[in-house]
Amino acid sequence: DAGITQSPRHKVTETGTPVTLRCHQTENHRYMYWYRQDPGHGLRLIHYSYGVKDTDKGEVSDGYSVSRSKTEDFLLTLESATSSQTSVYFCAISDSDFNQPQHFGDGTRLSIL
Amino acid sequence: AQKITQTQPGMFVQEKEAVTLDCTYDTSDQSYGLFWYKQPSSGEMIFLIYQGSYDEQNATEGRYSLNFQKARKSANLVISASQLGDSAMYFCAMRDQRGGAQKLVFGQGTRLTINP
Repeated sequence: DAGITQSPRHKVTETGTPVTLRCHQTENHRYMYWYRQDPGHGLRLIHYSYGVKDTDKGEVSDGYSVSRSKTEDFLLTLESATSSQTSVYFCAISDSDFNQPQHFGDGTRLSIL
Repeated sequence: AQKITQTQPGMFVQEKEAVTLDCTYDTSDQSYGLFWYKQPSSGEMIFLIYQGSYDEQNATEGRYSLNFQKARKSANLVISASQLGDSAMYFCAMRDQRGGAQKLVFGQGTRLTINP
């Protein structure tokens, strides 16, 4: 299995509080991604990174920011959490060969009350 | 914009039967890739099979094969001799390479239930 660790695995917090999710990889892959999964929508891309300090927006980036200060870590921050951000968040990694699949972490279940 | 459509929200199949999960896609790109992932009830995303747009043969991986019909823009997953452990959500995804990263666009998924 690809070495991807997401933390925390579960979190419950209140509206308006800041939340940071962490993705850590041991594969030295260049690309890292954050997705959210909601019923009826499959997975949707929030942000992605193509190198240290290089990030870009995905399909549903509003309300989220990311940072990547080291190859192995990719952080997703909700500056002021809202109930609409209640979701399951997946981190994924991929290498430079586009024919190789993305590998996913086990997900973080986030509930905003 | 790229789009993936999975028209079967749920499917019920008898154990040992073959099953086909539908996936159609929309893209104006000539070069693209299609992936299938399995998500069991435990929640993890498991890669199953990949098909590149220029691959001349349909991809196969053990009991999984991909029925790729480029002209019809379909990439259906075929599972032969289904097993109880195949019960899961299945997602079709397309690679969007614009900008360099391998961004995936997912369909809504199909929930497959294998009955004994």
